Amino acid sequence: NAGVMQNPRHLVRRRGQEARLRCSPMKGHSHVYWYRQLPEEGLKFMVYLQKENIIDESGMPKERFSAEFPKEGPSILRIQQVVRGDSAAYFCASSGLLAGDHGYTFGSGTRLTVV
Amino acid sequence: TQLLEQSPQFLSIQEGENLTVYCNSSSVFSSLQWYRQEPGEGPVLLVTVVTGGEVKKLKRLTFQFGDARKDSSLHITAAQPGDTGLYLCAGEGVKAAGNKLTFGGGTRVLVKP
Repeated sequence: NAGVMQNPRHLVRRRGQEARLRCSPMKGHSHVYWYRQLPEEGLKFMVYLQKENIIDESGMPKERFSAEFPKEGPSILRIQQVVRGDSAAYFCASSGLLAGDHGYTFGSGTRLTVV
Repeated sequence: TQLLEQSPQFLSIQEGENLTVYCNSSSVFSSLQWYRQEPGEGPVLLVTVVTGGEVKKLKRLTFQFGDARKDSSLHITAAQPGDTGLYLCAGEGVKAAGNKLTFGGGTRVLVKP
């Protein structure tokens, strides 16, 4: 997963706190995707962003979740007032143009635990 | 909503045996990708198939895309313990559906020495 950097790798939050997950895409990639994975399940799409634009947020919960990809700096997935059900692994992926033959490059994920 | 179903969910075999994992959908995808995921890590792309009927080989792994671009299979010949992991198929929607991937639920493969 070299190239897509996610931090932190592990994050523990108490119920009601905020969680901020960061993703720096591969150099030259301008498309960022966030996915959520519950234990023993596949990945579920959350949001697709390009620089300064949210392209598709159809997988984002309507409340408490937001994402941004500013002109400078990493993409941020923000979860406000976390609840235990938010505990999951959150993966970021990046691509250049259409993924097509090249696929996506995933980061190593952030494992969020809400206690 | 595009859905991908993987089967089986879990597969346990002895070293040297062959295995096949299936990925099925009622939707058409512009491409179908296979990933392998190790515990504590993100998915790593194994292959992308784009053309209906396409077959790609990667050493002992053979990937096939159905003629109608709705289903795919992954076949591993003479499995080794190093093949143990979670195998995920993912479909990329047709252009109108955007670039997001729809993942199957995964197949956990255990190859015993």
